[in-house]
Amino acid sequence: GAVVSQHPSWVICKSGTSVKIECRSLDFQATTMFWYRQFPKQSLMLMATSNEGSKATYEQGVEKDKFLINHASLTLSTLTVTSAHPEDSSFYICSAGYGGDWTEAFFGQGTRLTVV
Amino acid sequence: DAKTTQPPSMDCAEGRAANLPCNHSTISGNEYVYWYRQIHSQGPQYIIHGLKNNETNEMASLIITEDRKSSTLILPHATLRDTAVYYCIVFYGGSQGNLIFGKGTKLSVKP
Repeated sequence: GAVVSQHPSWVICKSGTSVKIECRSLDFQATTMFWYRQFPKQSLMLMATSNEGSKATYEQGVEKDKFLINHASLTLSTLTVTSAHPEDSSFYICSAGYGGDWTEAFFGQGTRLTVV
Repeated sequence: DAKTTQPPSMDCAEGRAANLPCNHSTISGNEYVYWYRQIHSQGPQYIIHGLKNNETNEMASLIITEDRKSSTLILPHATLRDTAVYYCIVFYGGSQGNLIFGKGTKLSVKP
């Protein structure tokens, strides 16, 4: 099946710094990608929809100035956590659809962010 | 909010069939039933999906009731590697792909 790759798999950063997470569709073009966040023992929560060439759409309660999303090409979306704080420590996951009718969504392997 | 209800946890003996139920009583006529699973600290993995008819692939079978208000995912011969959280999601594709995840079922396959 189609492959979605995230980088890095894990990252530790100091409080106040910014961290960029990349999400790539390796063998297909994705006009839309999605970013999720998952806290321990909880389900995935949709953060935002990333649209190639336009602004991202954020879910209610997600700060767009803190979680910067850029979707500059059909195969790459990035999520930047700005001025990270310990409460931003979480598992971040992206997904992309394969095929115009979204028959199947593929997920990246996730990025474990720890802010110390 | 998720439109599905699943038991929080289930156990299954290795080699036996695992039957995971899901209620989706408010499903719309054009919504599919999707199943994903998430092994610890990994991204979700697609398993199977269906609309009205039962479906089978190399991983699992999906049984959807005639009224479409519930479904069952069947792993015919569970292995220890099938231990994961299984998510049942109702979803209409089209141009959107933002899957809404519920709490899922934690399946523990035991030797």
